[in-house]
Amino acid sequence: QTVVTQEPSFSVSPGGTVTLTCGLSSGSVSTSYYPSWYQQTPGQAPRTLIYNTNTRSSGVPDRFSGSILGNKAALTITGAQADDESDYYCVVYLGSGFWVFGGGTKLTVL
Amino acid sequence: QLQLQESGPGLVKPSETLSLTCTVSGGSISSVPYYGGWIRQPPGRGLEWIGSIYYGGSTYYNPSLKSRVTISVDTSKNQFSLKLTSVTAADTAVYFCARGSGASGHLDYWGQGTLVTVSS
Repeated sequence: QTVVTQEPSFSVSPGGTVTLTCGLSSGSVSTSYYPSWYQQTPGQAPRTLIYNTNTRSSGVPDRFSGSILGNKAALTITGAQADDESDYYCVVYLGSGFWVFGGGTKLTVL
Repeated sequence: QLQLQESGPGLVKPSETLSLTCTVSGGSISSVPYYGGWIRQPPGRGLEWIGSIYYGGSTYYNPSLKSRVTISVDTSKNQFSLKLTSVTAADTAVYFCARGSGASGHLDYWGQGTLVTVSS
């Protein structure tokens, strides 16, 4: 069974840069998995930030960017702001209607 | 603008069946190449994909839930539905419906979510 791995937590200073990663328990995350990233604040539905590895969803600030770093997908936040403090989820698409979620990363901005 | 809305009972008794419906407005559920998906989130925990359905009726389930899950679609009502049998307290969660794109591989529209509590 495919398991998607993420850092459980991360912290960044206001104005700083942070990179969250998304890996597979076995194998590498590549563009073929169409990795996407979602931001979720308490009590809200997830919001799409990045899809298809590096495409920003409509309305998402350009301080959010997606990439492949080595064998993982990555979400980089450049110039972190206080309201970026959220949970971030990576999702990979296995094709034919199958999606797998990572466990999520709790980002603290302090 | 596409909108999705979950509906169904907020309280289900242990061993019974959880039933939810997702109503899609502002667009057709039969659009290609999109899937209707269900995702859940237990209190204080992460998101878990439950399964998805293509408008033609093909279904795809999380292997860990497959034996208890049925997802169906009613294109005439622009709805898709989730049934989860033999529920326990571990099935208490916020349940989200979402549209998944088979082209870009992401979940592009989400419902607001509905809390289902399993308790006697």
